[in-house]
Amino acid sequence: TQLLEQSPQFLSIQEGENLTVYCNSSSVFSSLQWYRQEPGEGPVLLVTVVTGGEVKKLKRLTFQFGDARKDSSLHITAAQPGDTGLYLCAGVGLSNTGKLIFGQGTTLQVKP
Amino acid sequence: NAGVMQNPRHLVRRRGQEARLRCSPMKGHSHVYWYRQLPEEGLKFMVYLQKENIIDESGMPKERFSAEFPKEGPSILRIQQVVRGDSAAYFCASSPSTVPGEQYFGPGTRLTVT
Repeated sequence: TQLLEQSPQFLSIQEGENLTVYCNSSSVFSSLQWYRQEPGEGPVLLVTVVTGGEVKKLKRLTFQFGDARKDSSLHITAAQPGDTGLYLCAGVGLSNTGKLIFGQGTTLQVKP
Repeated sequence: NAGVMQNPRHLVRRRGQEARLRCSPMKGHSHVYWYRQLPEEGLKFMVYLQKENIIDESGMPKERFSAEFPKEGPSILRIQQVVRGDSAAYFCASSPSTVPGEQYFGPGTRLTVT
């Protein structure tokens, strides 16, 4: 069974601080996605990474896919209160049909 | 381009009734996935469909649950004889054929079984 372990589960920081969220597995993934979910809404896709070692940037967010395609990280620079939310990583296994395996999520709170 | 549409957004059913959840994928997307999010748990895959075909139903409970994606119309997730444990948020996602993992989610249907 493929699992994705996300850490930390909860993070409360002050506005302007930097943070990193980790997503780890013992399995290789063909692609990995990061989503953000607001209460009462569906997850919103932030990025897809496919190639080992790939780095993608989205404004103050930097996403990295591990060289072995078993792990990923999300780094936020100078966090703002608007970044508050639930961040989810999700991966597609090598041999499955495209279904996403989700991590448990990281709840981020950025205080003004 | 409209996003993934789901209806109803909220559904209340009594134990033993049937629940029908609908999902219209994004325009041009032919792949539909259903996921369930139980309270205090993460999102879990249920079923993957293409038009008129079930591709992967490995996450679907063996009894009472079924899904379809007809040639015309939305995808339907049906739960027969609902029980309290079925109370959850059900999300539909669609993707283009080129990048299976790149899935776009609808707003979800919150099912409450009383």
